[in-house]
This record gives sequence, C-alpha cells and structure tokens, in this order.
Amino acid sequence: AQSVTQPDIHITVSEGASLELRCNYSYGATPYLFWYVQSPGQGLQLLLKYFSGDTLVQGIKGFEAEFKRSQSSFNLRKPSVHWSDAAEYFCAVGSLNTGTASKLTFGTGTRLQVML
Amino acid sequence: DAGVIQSPRHEVTEMGQEVTLRCKLISGHNSLFWYRQTMMRGLELLIYFNNNVPIDDSGMPEDRFSAKMPNASFSTLKIQPSEPRDSAVYFCASSLGTRGLFFGSGTQLSVL
Repeated sequence: AQSVTQPDIHITVSEGASLELRCNYSYGATPYLFWYVQSPGQGLQLLLKYFSGDTLVQGIKGFEAEFKRSQSSFNLRKPSVHWSDAAEYFCAVGSLNTGTASKLTFGTGTRLQVML
Repeated sequence: DAGVIQSPRHEVTEMGQEVTLRCKLISGHNSLFWYRQTMMRGLELLIYFNNNVPIDDSGMPEDRFSAKMPNASFSTLKIQPSEPRDSAVYFCASSLGTRGLFFGSGTQLSVL
C-alpha cells in the first residue's frame, strides 16, 4: 500500500529565509509524486509534480522539489520565503498509469507560518 | 478555462436530512475524485471514477454515502441520512492522464 509521511506538522520561518519541507513516501513501484498547497478556505493547488526524468523539478511560485529514490524522499524547497507562502502544504504519491489518472494518497500536511 | 466547480460552498443541515453535493469537472478531463477533509483524518479519498465508471469506492464510509457520474462532466455525492460525524469539507478533483489532480474550492458541510 502506498503511504506518505510528512514528519513536520508545523514549521515557522522568517520572511526571506530558505525553506525545506520534508516528505517521505512508501510505494512498491515507480512513484508519481506531487506537492500541493492549500490556503485557508480554499482547495488544493498543484505546485509541482514528478514522474520521470530530471530528479529536480521546478514548480510555480518559485518552489522546487528533489526526488531521491535511495531515501524515498521528495522534499520541497524554496530559497526565499514570502509572507504569502503561509499555508498548508501536502505531499502526495500515486501510481503512473499511462492515460489514466490514478488515486493519490496524501500526507497529513505541514502548516507553514511566516514571520515578518 | 474554468476550473473544477463545486456547489454549494456551504451547507448546513439537520441530522437525518439528505445532502447532495455537486461537482463539475474541467472540460476534457476524464477522471473524477471525491475527497473528504477533517482535522482528525486529514484528506481521505472516498471514491474515484475513470470515464464515468467507478473504479474504487473503498473509501466510502457507509452505505449512507453514494456517488454518481450521470455524464462525463458532472458528479454528485449524496449522503442519506446525514449524521453530525459527516461534518467536513468535501472536495472533488478532476484529472486527465498524468497532469495531476485539480481541486475545486470544496463544500463545507455542517450537520447539526
């Protein structure tokens, strides 16, 4: 069974500081990995995804993530955080079925607080 | 291009009443997912469809929950009868191939 662990429930960083959110996954085959962001009262917005190729993927809003198969990790990073980045971040894993979307399993989320 | 559209945004009902949540997929998408989000359980997949066919409904909590896709662009999630423990935010998401899931803004359900 696929699973995702986000070990940090809550992280606080200062505006302008760098950010890394951790994600570890468990999956028997080649994983299909995502990061989503959720602002209060909103749905989830896709930040970036990985399913093959370059293990460093770029996303929207200046975010990037690196897939490390040996560590079963897919950590999200941003070099300089903005106050508007305060939100909840979810990592998710799914299977890659060509032409057919497969269900995603989400982590429990990491709430990011940004200090001004 | 319009995103996933859910209605209503908020629903307050009394225990025992029927509740119907609605979702319009992004045009051209062929997969539809219903998720439920609570503080205690996080995001739970309830059911998902590919090409209008239910693929996995193992997350549907009880027979009180049912979901349909009467056509390729629309889905409903029905709870009958509703109970206070059904209170949550219900999201639908649509997808096409490897593009990832695109979520609606959710329906905040409160069952009194």
